[in-house]
Amino acid sequence: DSGVTQTPKHLITATGQRVTLRCSPRSGDLSVYWYQQSLDQGLQFLIQYYNGEERAKGNILERFSAQQFPDLHSELNLSSLELGDSALYFCASSRSAHGYTFGSGTRLTVV
Amino acid sequence: AQKITQTQPGMFVQEKEAVTLDCTYDTSDQSYGLFWYKQPSSGEMIFLIYQGSYDEQNATEGRYSLNFQKARKSANLVISASQLGDSAMYFCAMRGLANAGGTSYGKLTFGQGTILTVHP
Repeated sequence: DSGVTQTPKHLITATGQRVTLRCSPRSGDLSVYWYQQSLDQGLQFLIQYYNGEERAKGNILERFSAQQFPDLHSELNLSSLELGDSALYFCASSRSAHGYTFGSGTRLTVV
Repeated sequence: AQKITQTQPGMFVQEKEAVTLDCTYDTSDQSYGLFWYKQPSSGEMIFLIYQGSYDEQNATEGRYSLNFQKARKSANLVISASQLGDSAMYFCAMRGLANAGGTSYGKLTFGQGTILTVHP
């Protein structure tokens, strides 16, 4: 157990729907990062939060949004889903230069 | 901008042999960190080893060592005494440490990965 918890592990949904992915960072970590892993794009950074505030944005679509709550858990919301959004979504948390821990991921399948 | 290049889409190694997975990087940051992760078929990202750009010694973690050549901008992973369980995808990644010591640490930039297959 890495200490970073992601739920659900698997999600199957239809095109046009909206889903929410949840992440609880490792205890004491203030930074949360979201990544998308797909066959054609590889591992892509989506967004970073630090202590409730957005810190950096990567290749995140406008249909996607995220937030970090006061208890430091984070949610990634994906709306108007398309087939191409099918991917493995990772959350990671960090507290130091080399301490960077990933959750086990949520595998999203859009049908 | 940062870029990681892994030129070996796939590698094969005999069990108990050593293997080197290549990684080159490009960055304008003066301070940065380099990571290697293992992703087995189950999908999770497992941290293997870390090298800071100002670390004078090459990092080692058990059977894993990082051959860091700063002037060449390379950070190759060496796995000694390969085991069947080492078969997986391996990713090299880096992050800038411009705000090291501050409150913000940067995102990771990943290479495309190398699939390692260990033969018995």
